[in-house]
Amino acid sequence: QITLKESGPTLVKPTQTLTLTCTFSGFSLSTSAVGVGWIRQPPGKALEWLAVTYWGDDKRYSPSLKSRLTITKDTSKNQVVLTMTNMDPVDTATYYCAHLGYGDLSVFDIWGQGTLVTVSS
Amino acid sequence: DIQMTQSPSSLSASVGDRVTITCRASQSISSYLNWYQQKPGKAPKLLIYAASSLQGGVASRFSGSGSGTDFTLTISSLQPEDFATYYCQQSYSTPHTFGQGTNLEIK
Repeated sequence: QITLKESGPTLVKPTQTLTLTCTFSGFSLSTSAVGVGWIRQPPGKALEWLAVTYWGDDKRYSPSLKSRLTITKDTSKNQVVLTMTNMDPVDTATYYCAHLGYGDLSVFDIWGQGTLVTVSS
Repeated sequence: DIQMTQSPSSLSASVGDRVTITCRASQSISSYLNWYQQKPGKAPKLLIYAASSLQGGVASRFSGSGSGTDFTLTISSLQPEDFATYYCQQSYSTPHTFGQGTNLEIK
C-alpha cells in the first residue's frame, strides 16, 4: 500500500525559504518508472503543478517558479524535499505531494493529505 | 506551457442525471489526459488516466473519452457522493498543467 505524507512549517514569513518534506512508503524511488511530484492549491483556487523527481536524475520544474524551487530525494529515507525561496503571501496554499504512476503516463495516482502553508508577517 | 480549459466552470445537476464535463488543451496532447475528483478539505483523487482508463476502485459510472485536444468526463447517473470539483490535467509535457476545475453542485 502506497502512502505519502507532507510535513513542514504551517507559517512562514515573507522572504523566508520554505522547506517541505514528503515521506512515503510502499514504493522506492530506486525503482524505474517511479516518481514523486509536488502540487499546490491556494485557498478556493485550482491545482498548480510545481515539480517532479523521477527514479533517475531527471527533475522537472514549473517554468514560472523554476528560479525559486529545488526538489531533491533521499532514497534511503524514502523522502522527497521541496524548497521554495523568497516566499510571498501569494504562495499561501495547501501543498500536496503525490506518487507518479503508470510509467511515462506520469499520473498522480496516490496523493498525500496535503499541508497548509500560510505566508504572513 | 499547455493551457487546459474546462467547461463549464460550475454545473448544477440532480441525483440520477447524466453529466458531461469538457476539457480542451491548447495543443495536441494525444491521450495524456487525466481526471481528478476533489471534495472539500480533501486531496484530489484520480478517476481516469490516459483519457479513458478507469482507475482501480473507481465506480463504473465514470468514463472518459477524447484524444488530441478535446476530452470529456461523463458521469452516467449522478450519485450524492459525486458532488465535488473535477479537474483535468495533461501529462504530455511538463509542466503538467491542470484545468481550472468544474464545481459540480446539487440542484
